Parts: sequence; structure tokens; C-alpha cells
Amino acid sequence: QVQLVQSGAEVKKPGASVKVSCEAPGNTFISHYVHWVRQAPGEGLEWMGVINASDGKREYAQKFQGRVTMTRDTPPRTVYMELSSLRSEDTAIYFCARDGPAGLPYWGQGTLVTVTS
Amino acid sequence: EIVLTQSPGTLSLSLGERATLSCEASQSVSSSSLAWYQQRPGQAPRLLIHGASNRTTGIPDRFSGSGSGTDFTLTISRLEPEDFAVYFCHHYGRLPATFGRGTKVEIK
Repeated sequence: QVQLVQSGAEVKKPGASVKVSCEAPGNTFISHYVHWVRQAPGEGLEWMGVINASDGKREYAQKFQGRVTMTRDTPPRTVYMELSSLRSEDTAIYFCARDGPAGLPYWGQGTLVTVTS
Repeated sequence: EIVLTQSPGTLSLSLGERATLSCEASQSVSSSSLAWYQQRPGQAPRLLIHGASNRTTGIPDRFSGSGSGTDFTLTISRLEPEDFAVYFCHHYGRLPATFGRGTKVEIK
């Protein structure tokens, strides 16, 4: 069973950056894509981007271009999502999700990022 | 970017009733790349259906998906207490991937 474990909740000031990690204990992400999805309070799911954990190639949603960076360790046991220039609208739960044969069957537990002055 | 429009926003139904949830894409989507997720409060989304109509392992057969092109449907044949949740459609075949805004299935 694939389990994804994310880093803990963060509180940040506007303008700061946050880096969230996503680990697959006992496994690696090799040969897989890891997506990042966020959910603002009471809202729906918002796709942020994806990283190919094997070669590090990534693609970001246009909305986050220039502010988001997705990286991974080598070998890819942990992937990271860093979001910069935080504003209050970035307050959300951030999820990592690994691909499977189809769709996104494996999700982390979510990391709450609160942006407040 | 493909926009997915889900309707209705909220569905109020009783236990045992049938739920029909719609997902309309702004342009044609490959059926192999359309998924449905269930999200209960405080939990991560759970993959129910992939490839428009294929149930993920362990998902009860009261859940079924159908559709092609721009119109997709998730049907729950007889609502159980644990089915009251929010459901999202998702396309993942072509980037950027997108999600619908969700349909909340609530107890009437």
C-alpha cells in the first residue's frame, strides 16, 4: 500500500515563502508523477502542477508560474513544493498526490498553510 | 485549459435514493482521462472512478461512471450514510489538469 506523508502545518507572513514536503516511506517516487493540489477553506480542488520524479521535469498551472517550484531528492524519496510571495489568498490545505495506473489514487494527508500578518 | 463544470452544486437526497452528478467539459476530453473523487470532511480526496467508467479497487458497485466527449456522469445507485460527501470530476490526460468545483451530496 502506497502511503504519502506530508510535512506539518505552517503559519507564514505575507510575502514569505513556504516549502511543503511529501514522502513515500519505504518507497520512492521513481517512474511516477507527483501532482500538487490545493484547497482553500470551503472551496474546491485546484491543480497547481506536476513533477516527473524520475527526471525532475515539471509543469505548472499558469496561475502559479513564477511563484511555485517543485523539486525532488535523488533518488526521489521526497518531493517538495515551494510557494513564494505568499498572500492571504494562499491560505489553503496543500495536497500531494501520486499517479497510478490511472488518475490519482494516492494522496498525502494534506498540509495546512496559513498566511496571516 | 479545459474547464469542468459540475452540476448541481448541491444535491439533497435521502438514504436509498439515486444520485446523478454531472460534469461538463469545455472541450472534448478523452474518456480514458476523466476521473471522479469523493471527499469527506477533513479527508483527502479518494479516487472512485478512472477512465470515465472504471471503478477503483475496493469501490462499491453502487458507484458507476459514464459518458464521453464533453458530458460525464457519476451515479450512486442507492445512497448509503457514508456517501454524503463532496464529489469532484478531474481530467488528467492533457496538462494543465483541472478539477470541477464539486457537487455536495447532502442528506435531505
